[in-house]
Amino acid sequence: AQKVTQAQTEISVVEKEDVTLDCVYETRDTTYYLFWYKQPPSGELVFLIRRNSFDEQNEISGRYSWNFQKSTSSFNFTITASQVVDSAVYFCALSGFSAGGTSYGKLTFGQGTILTVHP
Amino acid sequence: DADVTQTPRNRITKTGKRIMLECSQTKGHDRMYWYRQDPGLGLRLIYYSFDVKDINKGEISDGYSVSRQAQAKFSLSLESAIPNQTALYFCATSEGDRDRGYTFGSGTRLTVV
Repeated sequence: AQKVTQAQTEISVVEKEDVTLDCVYETRDTTYYLFWYKQPPSGELVFLIRRNSFDEQNEISGRYSWNFQKSTSSFNFTITASQVVDSAVYFCALSGFSAGGTSYGKLTFGQGTILTVHP
Repeated sequence: DADVTQTPRNRITKTGKRIMLECSQTKGHDRMYWYRQDPGLGLRLIYYSFDVKDINKGEISDGYSVSRQAQAKFSLSLESAIPNQTALYFCATSEGDRDRGYTFGSGTRLTVV
């Protein structure tokens, strides 16, 4: 079975602070994908990033960056110079793809981290 | 039009009523999923279907049933709604190829009173 744990239930910061959202995962699959989604107050899920298990390069997209460390099974997300519009629930998710694996193709979510950015 | 459309967007129903949530997609994806979101629990998989003839239970299927009417349509039914089924429900699709992402609908907010 696969599992995703987001240690922080809620984080509160003041605008322009940097904030890191932690994500730790468990899987027996040899190939897997990791995702981050944002859920703003309107409720829809906004895709942020997908990373496969063979690509450990960190990625930066504007104020967002992701640190993937296979050795510690972590896929952390950092927002630099946070803004009020970053206030949302953020989900980390995992999809395993080993042939014959029971988790094949199913997306497992963490509990979510509620981020509040104050002006 | 949205790639994955869920109807209704919001619904209030009474305990014991049967209700159906519908999902249709224009992505041409074979795989479809129903998830439920509860505060503090993230999204949990209810049912999934890898093609029209393939239906599988997820981790929280009790009290729910599904129907895959066509490649593009996947409905979720609550045979006898109960208050603890109050939640935000998401439909999602994905391609069979492992290197593709998932497309989510906008969600259906269901309240059982």
